[in-house]
Amino acid sequence: AQKVTQAQTEISVVEKEDVTLDCVYETRDTTYYLFWYKQPPSGELVFLIRRNSFDEQNEISGRYSWNFQKSTSSFNFTITASQVVDSAVYFCALSGLLGSNKLTFGTGTQLKVEL
Amino acid sequence: DSGVTQTPKHLITATGQRVTLRCSPRSGDLSVYWYQQSLDQGLQFLIQYYNGEERAKGNILERFSAQQFPDLHSELNLSSLELGDSALYFCASSPLAGGHTNTGELFFGEGSRLTVL
Repeated sequence: AQKVTQAQTEISVVEKEDVTLDCVYETRDTTYYLFWYKQPPSGELVFLIRRNSFDEQNEISGRYSWNFQKSTSSFNFTITASQVVDSAVYFCALSGLLGSNKLTFGTGTQLKVEL
Repeated sequence: DSGVTQTPKHLITATGQRVTLRCSPRSGDLSVYWYQQSLDQGLQFLIQYYNGEERAKGNILERFSAQQFPDLHSELNLSSLELGDSALYFCASSPLAGGHTNTGELFFGEGSRLTVL
């Protein structure tokens, strides 16, 4: 069975602070994919990133960066210089082999960025 | 805008009733997925259809059913509704049966918020 744990239920930061959202996963698959989605107050789910289990390179996209560590089964997400518009619920998700058709989501982390 | 259209956006109904949620996938996408987001259960996969055929089933109750039509739109039918069925129901689409585009993205609609009173 697959499982994704996001232990941080809610995080509050002041604008311009850096913030890291934690994600720990469990899977028996040797090939798997990890995702982050953002759910702003408007409710839609917005794709942010996918990583496959073979690629442990960290990735940076603007103010966003992701740290994938297979040894600790973690896929953490850092927002640098946070902004109010970053306020949202962030979900980490896991799927099995390509061709698997189910995303297992974590419970989400509510990020509040205040002025 | 993901290109996935869900209707209705909001629906309020009573226990014991039946409702139908509709999803139009992105143009060209053959796979449609249904997810339920509730406070109790979080985001849960319900069911997937690919090109009209059921592809995978998740935690979908027997009171719920879905189908995908020849024009690729999908409907999720919820019957004998209970208070606990109140949730946000998401539809997502992708072009492949496996569920992942080259970028690994499922394209989600904005959801249908169901309130059962």
